[in-house]
Amino acid sequence: AQTVTQSQPEMSVQEAETVTLSCTYDTSESDYYLFWYKQPPSRQMILVIRQEAYKQQNATENRFSVNFQKAAKSFSLKISDSQLGDAAMYFCAYRVTGTASKLTFGTGTRLQVTL
Amino acid sequence: EAGVTQSPTHLIKTRGQQATLRCSPISGHTSVYWYQQALGLGLQFLLWYDEGEERNRGNFPPRFSGRQFPNYSSELNVNALELEDSALYLCASSRAGGRSGRLEQYFGPGTRLTVT
Repeated sequence: AQTVTQSQPEMSVQEAETVTLSCTYDTSESDYYLFWYKQPPSRQMILVIRQEAYKQQNATENRFSVNFQKAAKSFSLKISDSQLGDAAMYFCAYRVTGTASKLTFGTGTRLQVTL
Repeated sequence: EAGVTQSPTHLIKTRGQQATLRCSPISGHTSVYWYQQALGLGLQFLLWYDEGEERNRGNFPPRFSGRQFPNYSSELNVNALELEDSALYLCASSRAGGRSGRLEQYFGPGTRLTVT
């Protein structure tokens, strides 16, 4: 069974600084997707970034980037130039490639952004 | 493009009652997923519907059930409610089939179910 682990229940970063959120996963599959979702207090889950396991290049979306280490089964999220609006719960998620299928989520990391 | 919608926003029930939650997917999406987010926990997969059929089910008892209608909207029914069913229930939708990364799931705002 696939599992996703986020070992940091809470993180804090100062505005304009950089923070890295950790995620590890366990799977026997060779082809899959990894995601980071953001859930602000409004509860709406928002997709932040997506990584295909067959791509060696790390995904980047503006201030958000990932460090994908397939052999180590590690998928961390780096937020650069943190903004107050980045404060939210961040969930790492996994899905097997192919047909649409369920997402397996970690337990989340609550990110606080301070002035 | 309208997003995933869910109703009601909040639902309060007493133990033993039944709850019905509704979800409308994004236009063009045929897959609907239901997740439970209990306080302090991550999202747990409940059910996946595609083209009107249940495709996969998470580790939940049979009193959690649902269906998908011809217009791809979906209902989640929870029978014989228990206190621990209190949670945020999130619905997501996606296109179905193929390898494309367009299979990403888009989430609705959720229904907060409180069982007293």
